[in-house]
Amino acid sequence: TQLLEQSPQFLSIQEGENLTVYCNSSSVFSSLQWYRQEPGEGPVLLVTVVTGGEVKKLKRLTFQFGDARKDSSLHITAAQPGDTGLYLCAGVRMGAQKLVFGQGTRLTINP
Amino acid sequence: NAGVTQTPKFQVLKTGQSMTLQCAQDMNHEYMSWYRQDPGMGLRLIHYSVGAGITDQGEVPNGYNVSRSTTEDFPLRLLSAAPSQTSVYFCASGFRGGYTFGSGTRLTVV
Repeated sequence: TQLLEQSPQFLSIQEGENLTVYCNSSSVFSSLQWYRQEPGEGPVLLVTVVTGGEVKKLKRLTFQFGDARKDSSLHITAAQPGDTGLYLCAGVRMGAQKLVFGQGTRLTINP
Repeated sequence: NAGVTQTPKFQVLKTGQSMTLQCAQDMNHEYMSWYRQDPGMGLRLIHYSVGAGITDQGEVPNGYNVSRSTTEDFPLRLLSAAPSQTSVYFCASGFRGGYTFGSGTRLTVV
């Protein structure tokens, strides 16, 4: 059983559309992070959220941490082909030290 | 450039051989970890360390050993390689605010 469940696992949309990726758990996290990974490379950190209800924006990307600190979402507005990649959520559970990952969302933006 | 350096980038092993994957970071991070990435599985934690001399197991530790004698280095040892260990391995270092990953080692066991 995956500690962090991401949905959808695959998403293919047209350029200009909006999309949301979800990261859910039954556990409480002290922090949640979102990474993006390109083929042949390691994941690159996009954002870290640490406060329940927190919202962070990175250009067209909006990240939200749930009030109960059990879930997070990534919303992309007006998606572009350059947004194509594997998006991974990861978290550190309360009282723990290790960083665990969801299974990832493979996003394809078609021109 | 500051960051996480992994070597080698590619490796082919025969079943039963042993090898060490190297990982070094120059950011003075206390936390370092090793992950493996298989198709459709995301990243699974193998071992991690919260400081020199301190290591602990992750989700999939069997068949792997680690040690942390310095803050900078965190090598991963495969004791007796098996085809099931064919994967891409990533080393990461950081803190609760975020982690930096190396570029990976692609390992094939035949």
